Amino acid sequence: AQSVTQLGSHVSVSEGALVLLRCNYSSSVPPYLFWYVQYPNQGLQLLLKYTSAATLVKGINGFEAEFKKSETSFHLTKPSAHMSDAAEYFCAVRTYNFNKFYFGSGTKLNVKP
Amino acid sequence: NAGVTQTPKFQVLKTGQSMTLQCAQDMNHNSMYWYRQDPGMGLRLIYYSASEGTTDKGEVPNGYNVSRLNKREFSLRLESAAPSQTSVYFCAIRQGEGNSPLHFGNGTRLTVT
Repeated sequence: AQSVTQLGSHVSVSEGALVLLRCNYSSSVPPYLFWYVQYPNQGLQLLLKYTSAATLVKGINGFEAEFKKSETSFHLTKPSAHMSDAAEYFCAVRTYNFNKFYFGSGTKLNVKP
Repeated sequence: NAGVTQTPKFQVLKTGQSMTLQCAQDMNHNSMYWYRQDPGMGLRLIYYSASEGTTDKGEVPNGYNVSRLNKREFSLRLESAAPSQTSVYFCAIRQGEGNSPLHFGNGTRLTVT
């Protein structure tokens, strides 16, 4: 099975500061990669997905992620945090030859005023 | 989360009781999934269905059964509920092929006492 590691179960930043949420996967073949966001008491919503067209992927709400094959990473960033970004973020992967999606354990983002 | 409907939204069971969680889609997609979400563990795949009449085990299938009788519906059954099955359950569909993402329902919060 795929393994997805999200470093840091809780990240706290000040409003306006850079957001960096880390995701590493274990696979010799780059899988399909996704980031999801979950607001309290809601389902998961797609933030962005990796396409082979570009290593830097832009998503909704000003988030972006960079795919680095050499580091098997797909970290999520946002230049300037907003209070409304406070939520839990999940990295997910799916390998090409399987239909199963595997999720990381999640990172809760807290944004301080 | 239009497109994926889960019922019920909340449920409390006593140990040993049975129940079925329902999931229905109106988007005509083949792949459907059941996940459970527990604090600090992300989402773990219980079962998956690639198409009508087919199902496959995920990471944590023990204690659950599923049924995919038609393309639209994918149900999850707990035959004899245990406190360890207290969780939030999410149904999801995959919106196509390739790097198509999962689209989630709003979840069912289950408590087993």
